[in-house]
Amino acid sequence: GAGVSQTPSNKVTEKGKYVELRCDPISGHTALYWYRQSLGQGPEFLIYFQGTGAADDSGLPNDRFFAVRPEGSVSTLKIQRTERGDSAVYLCASSLLGGSTDTQYFGPGTRLTVL
Amino acid sequence: GQQLNQSPQSMFIQEGEDVSMNCTSSSIFNTWLWYKQDPGEGPVLLIALYKAGELTSNGRLTAQFGITRKDSFLNISASIPSDVGIYFCAGQGRGSQGNLIFGKGTKLSVKP
Repeated sequence: GAGVSQTPSNKVTEKGKYVELRCDPISGHTALYWYRQSLGQGPEFLIYFQGTGAADDSGLPNDRFFAVRPEGSVSTLKIQRTERGDSAVYLCASSLLGGSTDTQYFGPGTRLTVL
Repeated sequence: GQQLNQSPQSMFIQEGEDVSMNCTSSSIFNTWLWYKQDPGEGPVLLIALYKAGELTSNGRLTAQFGITRKDSFLNISASIPSDVGIYFCAGQGRGSQGNLIFGKGTKLSVKP
């Protein structure tokens, strides 16, 4: 069956530009997570959606980062005024119900490069 | 915030060798997970541990949830070439809604 998909797979942008990264979760999964993975590091949590609402956005580094999930399925991570330090792989994961015992399935990520 | 220390950072294996890696935390976790990540892919769950002291196997992989709730190890027996990749431990603290805290990873490579 279809797993989590993310588009684009690669995004190169210039400092100061706006970018949108898209995540298509597994069909029927109510929970969706965004993580950021810098080179040589493990993924770091950014935001968690349960349905359409952001249940936990404590990992967003600053107000340049914003994410939406308007219909409880596809999610978009939006980064304004990109900085070189935003360069990383942005991973999306989904799980059936959310919570600590539910398996999270990860997408392949979007590699963002800010020049 | 909560941090995970994962070791070793990297290791070289020869086919057939057993491999061991571990993770420690400065605070208690309620769940320990082990993931493997191949280049260009997202992490894939290998083993999940939910109870202190729990020992769980998945084929050639065995993992344990430490009784202090602050550590976990992963063993791979009789390694094969496709075991190459980066292994991450991850944990969930008390009150977590599912967001994971990851270690920095252990990179497994084949000895030349």
